[in-house]
Amino acid sequence: DGGITQSPKYLFRKEGQNVTLSCEQNLNHDAMYWYRQDPGQGLRLIYYSQIVNDFQKGDIAEGYSVSREKKESFPLTVTSAQKNPTAFYLCASSPTPGLAGVEQYFGPGTRLTVT
Amino acid sequence: LAKTTQPISMDSYEGQEVNITCSHNNIATNDYITWYQQFPSQGPRFIIQGYKTKVTNEVASLFIPADRKSSTLSLPRVSLSDTAVYYCLVGTLYNQGGKLIFGQGTELSVKP
Repeated sequence: DGGITQSPKYLFRKEGQNVTLSCEQNLNHDAMYWYRQDPGQGLRLIYYSQIVNDFQKGDIAEGYSVSREKKESFPLTVTSAQKNPTAFYLCASSPTPGLAGVEQYFGPGTRLTVT
Repeated sequence: LAKTTQPISMDSYEGQEVNITCSHNNIATNDYITWYQQFPSQGPRFIIQGYKTKVTNEVASLFIPADRKSSTLSLPRVSLSDTAVYYCLVGTLYNQGGKLIFGQGTELSVKP
C-alpha cells in the first residue's frame, strides 16, 4: 500500500521546545517537500529536497530545519526560533524534481499546537 | 514572481458545471499550472495540470489562454462530494531553485 505517512496526526508542545515531525514515503519518489498551512490560507513552502543529502529553502524556512539522509524520509524540525509554530504541516513528494511541472502527492498532515 | 489570485468562495448546485478562475499575471515561461482539491484536515489531492491551451482528464478540464495570465478549472456536473477548497499552484522547481506559489484557495460549496 504505497503512500506518504506523517506522524503523529496531532502534536502538542510547550513553547521553547524543539519538535520533529516525521514524513515517510514508499513511492520511490526523488523529491520531497514540507509546507505550512494556516487557517483560511494557502500552503507555503518551507523546505524541499530534490535528491538525497540535498535540500533547498522555500519561502518561509526561518525557524525550521530538515535532513534528507534517506530517500524515503524527510523529517522537519520546528525549532524554538520559529515565532508562530502552531499550524497544519503537510509533507509531499513527487517523482520528478526537474524542470517539468511537479505533481505532488501529499500526506495527511500533522497539526502542531504550541502553547 | 507569479502571485496567484482566486475567488475566496463559490456556491453551486448539484449537477451544475463549475468554473473557478485563477489569475497569475506574472507567470514565468517555465511555470506550469496545477490545481489541487483539499478536504478539511487532509492533504491536498492533485486534480489536473497544464502549460497552455486545454487539458482534460476524467474529473476536470483546465483552460489556459494564450497569454497564460489566468487559468480556469472546470468541474462538470458537480456533486455534494465536490464540496472542498480548490487551490491553484503556479511555478516549477529547478535543480537548484525555482518557486511554487499556491493561491489562497476557493471554497466551493455544492448544495442539493
